[in-house]
Amino acid sequence: GAVVSQHPSWVICKSGTSVKIECRSLDFQATTMFWYRQFPKQSLMLMATSNEGSKATYEQGVEKDKFLINHASLTLSTLTVTSAHPEDSSFYICSARTSGSPGANVLTFGAGSRLTVL
Amino acid sequence: AQTVTQSQPEMSVQEAETVTLSCTYDTSESDYYLFWYKQPPSRQMILVIRQEAYKQQNATENRFSVNFQKAAKSFSLKISDSQLGDAAMYFCAYRSYDYSGGGADGLTFGKGTHLIIQP
Repeated sequence: GAVVSQHPSWVICKSGTSVKIECRSLDFQATTMFWYRQFPKQSLMLMATSNEGSKATYEQGVEKDKFLINHASLTLSTLTVTSAHPEDSSFYICSARTSGSPGANVLTFGAGSRLTVL
Repeated sequence: AQTVTQSQPEMSVQEAETVTLSCTYDTSESDYYLFWYKQPPSRQMILVIRQEAYKQQNATENRFSVNFQKAAKSFSLKISDSQLGDAAMYFCAYRSYDYSGGGADGLTFGKGTHLIIQP
């Protein structure tokens, strides 16, 4: 089945530094990837939609300059948290849309990345 | 915008018994998908079952089945013969139907139900 790999699974950084999280589709091409954020014991909130070769579409309230998304190839999307602060600490999850007939696609999730900003 | 509501923050069931998790949603669209995802302590999101809104027949996957009531905008999950491995957070999710195939929308999630299995 479709597999999405997310790296790193766990990262600690100092306040003010930038952190990059990678999301890779291992056995399929993903023209669209989605980035979610999940606070402890809460639901997943869609942050942005990443389309290969074009700019990401951000959800309302998500700072595009803070959360840089690049989708340079059909198998890789990256999320960079710039100038991270403790309030950016969270669990970040990516998902990728598998191919198929229009409307029949299913989203496969990565295992998530836990970011802790000190 | 669509909203998904899960009114049960936590449910508990005895092993081997049946439990039903509730989900309601609000949308003005006629075509869409509904999903139930499971998130165990590992945090990996696992697809449990999905339902296309245009299908009247309720989806089933082994011990998991749904009761999809389109008019009532209700989408409950029934887990039969509950097992210890079923313990997890369960999220109900909505996705718009993608007519163009361009992969437009992400998922809108409910707040989740924490399912506890009593041995």
